[in-house]
Amino acid sequence: EPEVTQTPSHQVTQMGQEVILRCVPISNHLYFYWYRQILGQKVEFLVSFYNNEISEKSEIFDDQFSVERPDGSNFTLKIRSTKLEDSAMYFCASRRDSSLNTEAFFGQGTRLTVV
Amino acid sequence: AQKITQTQPGMFVQEKEAVTLDCTYDTSDPSYGLFWYKQPSSGEMIFLIYQGSYDQQNATEGRYSLNFQKARKSANLVISASQLGDSAMYFCASGFGNEKLTFGTGTRLTIIP
Repeated sequence: EPEVTQTPSHQVTQMGQEVILRCVPISNHLYFYWYRQILGQKVEFLVSFYNNEISEKSEIFDDQFSVERPDGSNFTLKIRSTKLEDSAMYFCASRRDSSLNTEAFFGQGTRLTVV
Repeated sequence: AQKITQTQPGMFVQEKEAVTLDCTYDTSDPSYGLFWYKQPSSGEMIFLIYQGSYDQQNATEGRYSLNFQKARKSANLVISASQLGDSAMYFCASGFGNEKLTFGTGTRLTIIP
């Protein structure tokens, strides 16, 4: 069964460092997303991406964040200068299309710890 | 504002019993989809079931069913014959006519042997 793959599963970084979280969405999917979940809290939307550009972003997704689809398969989230409050689980998700009854498939997540 | 509310932070249920996890939503959009995801302790998000706003029948997927009451704006998840492996966080979510999902705060379900 096709799945969304995220690497690494866990990353520890020093405050102020840049991190890149990687995702390989399901191959025939067109819509890509990043969500984050601070420990013990709900899942929050960060950004959606379609046709090689951002289609929507939340207030959380400020200038420190960027996304890219550098080739036909990878979808990355970059945090330029990490802060302690960026520590969270980051989920990549993909959907085949944008119709209401299409579920989003989530990767297993990357747990980012900023120290 | 679009909002998903899950009022049960935690539930304890005896194995083999049925359990209902509550979810209410707030929207003025006529078209929307409602989703339930399971998050075990390992952290991944697993899709369980979907209900569309125009669906005439309640959705079912194996032991999972969705009690959809449109007038009450509720979409409760029912798990029949609960198993130890059902212990997890459960999130209700919706795509309110656009692409992103809005999640509730989740319910931690613990199945007692």
